[in-house]
Amino acid sequence: DTGVSQDPRHKITKRGQNVTFRCDPISEHNRLYWYRQTLGQGPEFLTYFQNEAQLEKSRLLSDRFSAERPKGSFSTLEIQRTEQGDSAMYLCASSLGASSGANVLTFGAGSRLTVL
Amino acid sequence: AQSVTQLGSHVSVSEGALVLLRCNYSSSVPPYLFWYVQYPNQGLQLLLKYTSAATLVKGINGFEAEFKKSETSFHLTKPSAHMSDAAEYFCAVSRAASNTGKLIFGQGTTLQVKP
Repeated sequence: DTGVSQDPRHKITKRGQNVTFRCDPISEHNRLYWYRQTLGQGPEFLTYFQNEAQLEKSRLLSDRFSAERPKGSFSTLEIQRTEQGDSAMYLCASSLGASSGANVLTFGAGSRLTVL
Repeated sequence: AQSVTQLGSHVSVSEGALVLLRCNYSSSVPPYLFWYVQYPNQGLQLLLKYTSAATLVKGINGFEAEFKKSETSFHLTKPSAHMSDAAEYFCAVSRAASNTGKLIFGQGTTLQVKP
């Protein structure tokens, strides 16, 4: 078990470009979450999947954002036509999706996006 | 709606002193409560969680937290600070009933430990 992996760790892009982040969760975890963290703030929920189904999306997830988890394993988060306000750390987390008891999230190290 | 307020964005203690990081929550339904720690350029690591069992919860690295429903608080403590405790700490809440795992985080408290 190598934990939750995110790639790339850092991405610098120009405004208007598209970027894609990848997350590989812990293999036996069926739930996968995306959060966004801006400087000096706590993480904010974006969306989550149970297996390949996207079950909830935050209002923070504008039309320029799309997340997929096509085979219920890894996930991608794409941002189209990036804006400077998209600059943030994008965190991925996974959990077992327990039917009882708390779902404990394991976080990856994050992908830091800088939009120039 | 749920929310979390962490009182004090920065806390500074001397090595060996008591650490107290404050967290108050708002929830109309029974909550699950969590404390996470984040070291520079790393992801969040779970310190401890409250899931409606014992109100005093012990976590890793000598940290503990007490759930006080009457005060809607879940403060994090450690009897003796170590230099390695310097990091950012986040309190988070989720809805126990829905159990989606969706977390609402506070703004974080940066802990500085002075030698």
